[in-house]
Amino acid sequence: NAGVTQTPKFQVLKTGQSMTLQCAQDMNHEYMSWYRQDPGMGLRLIHYSVGAGITDQGEVPNGYNVSRSTTEDFPLRLLSAAPSQTSVYFCASSYSRDSNQPQHFGDGTRLSIL
Amino acid sequence: AQSVAQPEDQVNVAEGNPLTVKCTYSVSGNPYLFWYVQYPNRGLQFLLKYITGDNLVKGSYGFEAEFNKSQTSFHLKKPSALVSDSALYFCAVRGLFTTSGTYKYIFGTGTRLKVLA
Repeated sequence: NAGVTQTPKFQVLKTGQSMTLQCAQDMNHEYMSWYRQDPGMGLRLIHYSVGAGITDQGEVPNGYNVSRSTTEDFPLRLLSAAPSQTSVYFCASSYSRDSNQPQHFGDGTRLSIL
Repeated sequence: AQSVAQPEDQVNVAEGNPLTVKCTYSVSGNPYLFWYVQYPNRGLQFLLKYITGDNLVKGSYGFEAEFNKSQTSFHLKKPSALVSDSALYFCAVRGLFTTSGTYKYIFGTGTRLKVLA
């Protein structure tokens, strides 16, 4: 079972560059989300989606865009990378928008902005 | 506001001893609580959850958690720790209902568990 697949695993960018972090799940999950993990701060929600065509902002959305054109894919775009966006990014999915379902996480993308 | 706290950055325990990783929460309404584990260079893995029912919840890898409503706590426990249990542990709670028709999850800052041989 592939589960949640994130690419790339590592990336180094220069300030001002843009890039897209890819996330795909093969479990037909309705709910998908993006988090960033920083030391001492746990996981912070960037954006989330409850289905194709529906996205919403989390607690730290600035500098990031998302779209959900299919159930399987939920890419995260950095519009103009800044050093403050150096972090580990995790994509997660769950079966439905019901809050009693656990989330399934990808293995993360480690992003460094120089 | 909904929140969750993990008061210990790190917990050290000897192999074979019982372990406890602490979590307290603040929510309005009934809490939905989760524990996840993260191994190095991996994503979070679900361990167990409390939604309703029995206060003692059993999960994966021999872990269990005790829900205590009066103390607003949901501590993770294991009777006998293994070196392989060394990892980062996250407590999470259901957040507020959103205009998208779902709830957000709120994660604690994580507790690093070190089991010493």
